[in-house]
Amino acid sequence: GQNIDQPTEMTATEGAIVQINCTYQTSGFNGLFWYQQHAGEAPTFLSYNVLDGLEEKGRFSSFLSRSKGYSYLLLKELQMKDSASYLCAGLDSNYQLIWGAGTKLIIKP
Amino acid sequence: SAVISQKPSRDICQRGTSLTIQCQVDSQVTMMFWYRQQPGQSLTLIATANQGSEATYESGFVIDKFPISRPNLTFSTLTVSNMSPEDSSIYLCSVRTSSDAGELFFGEGSRLTVL
Repeated sequence: GQNIDQPTEMTATEGAIVQINCTYQTSGFNGLFWYQQHAGEAPTFLSYNVLDGLEEKGRFSSFLSRSKGYSYLLLKELQMKDSASYLCAGLDSNYQLIWGAGTKLIIKP
Repeated sequence: SAVISQKPSRDICQRGTSLTIQCQVDSQVTMMFWYRQQPGQSLTLIATANQGSEATYESGFVIDKFPISRPNLTFSTLTVSNMSPEDSSIYLCSVRTSSDAGELFFGEGSRLTVL
């Protein structure tokens, strides 16, 4: 079956760094997405990885290892506004998105 | 990118009634999808809205319960029929503007509460 696993909740301190991990099992693979979703709002796109390695975009970076079925989202210089859920989603061979349950990130001052 | 307008943004409905959610996109898009997000959970795909033909439903979702229309490339509706409290959820319209691997853009969501 297809599955996306990520931690349910994480807590970090303002100004620090946090890494949110995601492991995936999909039927075929056409890339991995990370989305941010603030409470009561729609998800917004953060990153897309289809090749191995690290993609950096400002304070946010995303990493992919296809051989390990693993990705992580790295958030640096955390700000209070980064408190949100972070959704990992894999794109399978039929270009269907398989969604993780999301990781709720709590930022403390 | 795409700007997606959904309405209603929220509604409170009585058991047994039906409600139609509208999704309007500011540009023509190939792929339109309807998702449900129940409280504290991730996104579940209900169906892919196909322009000019019947929607493609995911396992566990049927046309009688969730009829979908897509008369053109910029507009779609989702109806939640004969509602029960278990249908209380956020319903999200999303689109993919270009290739199969392109990112999804989401509407603001429609939060339904069924009493």
